[in-house]
Amino acid sequence: LAKTTQPISMDSYEGQEVNITCSHNNIATNDYITWYQQFPSQGPRFIIQGYKTKVTNEVASLFIPADRKSSTLSLPRVSLSDTAVYYCLVGEKFGNEKLTFGTGTRLTIIP
Amino acid sequence: NAGVTQTPKFQVLKTGQSMTLQCAQDMNHEYMSWYRQDPGMGLRLIHYSVGAGITDQGEVPNGYNVSRSTTEDFPLRLLSAAPSQTSVYFCASRQTVRTNYGYTFGSGTRLTVV
Repeated sequence: LAKTTQPISMDSYEGQEVNITCSHNNIATNDYITWYQQFPSQGPRFIIQGYKTKVTNEVASLFIPADRKSSTLSLPRVSLSDTAVYYCLVGEKFGNEKLTFGTGTRLTIIP
Repeated sequence: NAGVTQTPKFQVLKTGQSMTLQCAQDMNHEYMSWYRQDPGMGLRLIHYSVGAGITDQGEVPNGYNVSRSTTEDFPLRLLSAAPSQTSVYFCASRQTVRTNYGYTFGSGTRLTVV
């Protein structure tokens, strides 16, 4: 399984764009990159998933360079409610259920 | 459509007691998993199931049993509770169709073993 490395914590002000980068140097050809968000006392929530280039949904964007050894989760114009822990996972889209969450990035939004 | 439902939300056990954490999903998801999360740490996989009648071990399976007799239910059994099993337990499920890979998580069971 590809190991991921994320910053332990980040701070940002309300209204700014936040970019959280994840390194996954050993990513395999069949691996996808998935991001989850976890609020205190809640289970993680799926945010976005991608394989290469750029993926965008109503919540975030995911940028993946051509070598796929890293990825960046971009949250546009954050608010206080975006304060959470964000996890980057790498694994096969189907068939591999042994996902490793790691410790994630604790994002704190400052008013 | 309730999603993933976990019961109980809170539980205190004495060392050596046994109990079952319940997990049910109404989304007809094939894949289900159990994770534990210790304070300040990420989630660690305990057991998972890729369908009714099929289960497998995750990263930290010792002290836990699972079974999957139906698609909807995936109970986690603590055989003889130990203080080291004090944690928050999350159940999750996902579908297998190509439109959605992400897991849906329950709200968790906070377990304290004294």
